[in-house]
Amino acid sequence: DIQMIQSPSSLSASVGDRVTITCRSSQSISLWLNWYQQKPGKAPKVLIYSTSNLQDGVPSRFSGSGSGTNFTLTISSLQPEDCATYYCHQSYTTPRYTFGQGTKVEI
Amino acid sequence: EVQLVESGGGLVKSGGSLRLSCAASGFNFGGFSMNWVRQAPGKGLEWVSSISSGSDYKYYADSVKGRFTISRDNGKNTLILQVNSLRAEDTAVYYCARVVATTRVFDYWGQGTQVTVSS
Repeated sequence: DIQMIQSPSSLSASVGDRVTITCRSSQSISLWLNWYQQKPGKAPKVLIYSTSNLQDGVPSRFSGSGSGTNFTLTISSLQPEDCATYYCHQSYTTPRYTFGQGTKVEI
Repeated sequence: EVQLVESGGGLVKSGGSLRLSCAASGFNFGGFSMNWVRQAPGKGLEWVSSISSGSDYKYYADSVKGRFTISRDNGKNTLILQVNSLRAEDTAVYYCARVVATTRVFDYWGQGTQVTVSS
């Protein structure tokens, strides 16, 4: 099974800061990497699919990059509403999937 | 508007069973593979099971294989997860999620249904 490791597990940043979250896979997953945002008590919401494609309606301050085993989610200017937990998700082994353990972002 | 609404969760004793449902609307349900994903209290997301659009293929996480059964009724736009032989570690919020075939992303999720297993 492919393991997904996110870092850091949590972070605290200020409004306007540039925030970077890293996701590493235990083997190459090409570009089959998605990112989700989850707020407390809510379902996850997709932000980025296939490494770098912004989901419709998602603010452009979110971006994704990477390939193979190393991927990054970047928030270019952190906003108060971005307080949430972020998960990476590999879909290379579809229809079996793996999520990262999550990164909690606080202001 | 795409909607996924789960139901059927509850409090059950260890070894018990539940039938979780996910009612879909606002899209061609029969044209999409579907998934169940769960989240234990204070923990991350765990993929549980997937089913192809025509029920030809069904897959399970090792942690639930042999105890959970996924099915769907495309005529009723409903996804089902039959959960048997429940254990304390199955306590979680269970979400249904639609997957887009071309991008392999879970683009719509339900609000979740809580399953609590007591000893």
